[in-house]
Order: sequence, then C-alpha cells, then structure tokens
Amino acid sequence: DGGITQSPKYLFRKEGQNVTLSCEQNLNHDAMYWYRQDPGQGLRLIYYSQIVNDFQKGDIAEGYSVSREKKESFPLTVTSAQKNPTAFYLCATSDWNTEAFFGQGTRLTVV
Amino acid sequence: GQQLNQSPQSMFIQEGEDVSMNCTSSSIFNTWLWYKQDPGEGPVLLIALYKAGELTSNGRLTAQFGITRKDSFLNISASIPSDVGIYFCARRDDKIIFGKGTRLHILP
Repeated sequence: DGGITQSPKYLFRKEGQNVTLSCEQNLNHDAMYWYRQDPGQGLRLIYYSQIVNDFQKGDIAEGYSVSREKKESFPLTVTSAQKNPTAFYLCATSDWNTEAFFGQGTRLTVV
Repeated sequence: GQQLNQSPQSMFIQEGEDVSMNCTSSSIFNTWLWYKQDPGEGPVLLIALYKAGELTSNGRLTAQFGITRKDSFLNISASIPSDVGIYFCARRDDKIIFGKGTRLHILP
C-alpha cells in the first residue's frame, strides 16, 4: 500500500453534491479498482480498469463514474444519483492476473 | 455477480486457540487471495494461491487452494491479540471479487 495514495482520508459533502475521490499509484500496475465497503457487506466492486482509457462496471456502478486518462490515476466521482453515498471507499491496483494491493481508503460522509 | 460464500461470518475465540475459516465458490477460478483488514484501514494481502492443491504458509497462517478449484481455507495457529480484524477471501479472473469477510474477536 505504500505506492497507492487515496486522498482525502475523510470527506464530508452535502447531499446532492457530486464529489470526486482521488487514487494515485506509482507501482506501474496496469489494473486499478474501486470498492465500496459498508458494515457487514464486505467489499463490493464499483468499477475497474485494466488499461488506460478503458474501464468496466462492477457490481454496483450505478450513481458512480470513473476515468482512466493516465496509468497512475483512477478518480471516482460519486454523483448525486447515488442514493446512499456514505461509505468507506477503497482503491486497489494490480498487475495483470496477480494479487491486488490497497490504498488506505477514503471515508465519505454525506450530511 | 458470481458469489463467494465465506464462513463463519464471525468468530469469538480465546487467545492461543487455532482458527479456521473457508471460502467456497460456485465457479472454478485460478487464483485465491486472502486479506486481513484492521479497522479504518485498507486490506493487506496475507497469502496468494495460484494452483489447485497448493498449500502455503506465512508465519502462523496457512492457506490451501482446494483441488476442485472452488474452495479455499485459511488457518491461524495459536492466535494472539493482534490477529483481531476482518479476514477476506477473494477470487480473481478479469477482476477481483471478495467474500463478505470473517470477523475475528479474541475474548479477554
């Protein structure tokens, strides 16, 4: 996790506002992932990207958007269409077909 | 999405006891991963398994990739207080999908 930076660690937003979570990596990994964690729900996949300029929806993509313009960066936007955005968001990276490494997470609270 | 069934959901044990948890899938996969998460932190990789039947150890932790390629288990021997946390199994194909986790509690 030393090479994966998520910022900020805590984020507060008003209901109805879009918010973008940052994930940057210096591990030169091709693949990047965004997960959402709620109590008792484990980690659920939102979006993933296996290569620059390409990404796929995970199991819970509705209300979220991503971009992958650079290998190092995979920002996640939580839009106003996401009904329950308060959660712990985790970014991960991996080489092709190997294990994933995680950032420290961003805790988003919508008030 | 394809399901991973991880059990037990939680465990309450005495310090020094051995722990066993497992994960099953309805489909065959080529990679099983085991992670531990401390509160407020990202998960940390414990053991990665790449071959059916593979048995791998990492200190007091041992994990095996089932020969059917549909299951895996993780054992922790002689538990200590810092073992407290959530343990996740994960399977990999073009993406990485996680189980719901096993929450390990150690009784005082």
